[in-house]
Amino acid sequence: GAVVSQHPSRVICKSGTSVKIECRSLDFQATTMFWYRQFPKQSLMLMATSNEGSKATYEQGVEKDKFLINHASLTLSTLTVTSAHPEDSSFYICSAPGGAHATGELFFGEGSRLTVL
Amino acid sequence: AQSVAQPEDQVNVAEGNPLTVKCTYSVSGNPYLFWYVQYPNRGLQFLLKYITGDNLVKGSYGFEAEFNKSQTSFHLKKPSALVSDSALYFCAYSSGSARQLTFGSGTQLTVLP
Repeated sequence: GAVVSQHPSRVICKSGTSVKIECRSLDFQATTMFWYRQFPKQSLMLMATSNEGSKATYEQGVEKDKFLINHASLTLSTLTVTSAHPEDSSFYICSAPGGAHATGELFFGEGSRLTVL
Repeated sequence: AQSVAQPEDQVNVAEGNPLTVKCTYSVSGNPYLFWYVQYPNRGLQFLLKYITGDNLVKGSYGFEAEFNKSQTSFHLKKPSALVSDSALYFCAYSSGSARQLTFGSGTQLTVLP
């Protein structure tokens, strides 16, 4: 099946630094990718929709300047957490749809655990 | 507002017994419903989906789910639970052309040996 690769799987950084997380579709093209955030023992919250060649669409309450999303190619989307603070510590998961229709399943990356000291 | 709900945070079942993880939906029109499983510190894995057709949907790892329109439910079931089924399970729906998924709160399944 389709594979989505996410890197890094774990990252620890100091407060005030920026961290970039990459999401790649390995064997298919994805014009759209989704970024989710998950707190411990909680559900996934959609942060933004990444669109290849255009601006990302952010969900209400998500700071665009804090979470920069770039979808530079049909196989790569990046999430940059700028000026990270401890409250940004979380599990970030990307996903890409396996088809062009809403009935297609989403394929998920393995997630990236960010810890901000 | 459209949503899916998982009323149980935690479900415990003995190995070999049947298991049920509950999900109810409040989605207008024809809902596209999904079940995903998440193992610790991992992404989500697709189990099954209901789009249209047979109300009983069979998925990966021996799981199945029944779409019940009158009860607005989409419970996940397995006839005989394995210890390795212990994980976090999410029910989700897809909102038409938007394609992204909206998830329920998740249910932690623990299968006891």
